[in-house]
Amino acid sequence: DTGVSQNPRHKITKRGQNVTFRCDPISEHNRLYWYRQTLGQGPEFLTYFQNEAQLEKSRLLSDRFSAERPKGSFSTLEIQRTEQGDSAMYLCASSFFGLTYEQYFGPGTRLTVT
Amino acid sequence: AQTVTQSQPEMSVQEAETVTLSCTYDTSESDYYLFWYKQPPSRQMILVIRQEAYKQQNATENRFSVNFQKAAKSFSLKISDSQLGDAAMYFCAYRRASQGGSEKLVFGKGMKLTVNP
Repeated sequence: DTGVSQNPRHKITKRGQNVTFRCDPISEHNRLYWYRQTLGQGPEFLTYFQNEAQLEKSRLLSDRFSAERPKGSFSTLEIQRTEQGDSAMYLCASSFFGLTYEQYFGPGTRLTVT
Repeated sequence: AQTVTQSQPEMSVQEAETVTLSCTYDTSESDYYLFWYKQPPSRQMILVIRQEAYKQQNATENRFSVNFQKAAKSFSLKISDSQLGDAAMYFCAYRRASQGGSEKLVFGKGMKLTVNP
């Protein structure tokens, strides 16, 4: 069990560019969550997957954001036409639905939009 | 919608002493879970302790214990014998217990704990 990993750890991009983040959950976990954390705030839910199905999306997830989990393993979060307001830490978490209560978090990807 | 409030943005404690972090929440649900997560600087968030709302007994994990007051919707964390490694951001979080939902966590804004040697 190597834990939840996220790549890249840091991303600096210019406004208007597209960025993609990757999350690799704990291997046997069937649920995967994305959260966004801005400075001085707690994480806010963006979306989650059970296996490959995206079952819920927050209103925070504008149409510039898209997430996938194509084979029920790793997930990607893409932001198109980035804006300065997208600057934040993007956290991924995974859990095993029905067995444990705990969501295990990755180290996050810090996005800075200049 | 459920909300979680942590009204103290920062606290400090002397090493080996006890500190209590406060959290209140608002929900119309009767069955839910409450959590305290710790986020050390530049490190990932880890679960400190969990409380099921249907349990009257307060949860305890080694030096960490909670005071869960369901009627008051209060969920405080007590850290005993504080250690330098306890220095971190602490987040209180809420999760519905109902089956079929996302089980997403709703977090408070967090509280920065400093431990002084």
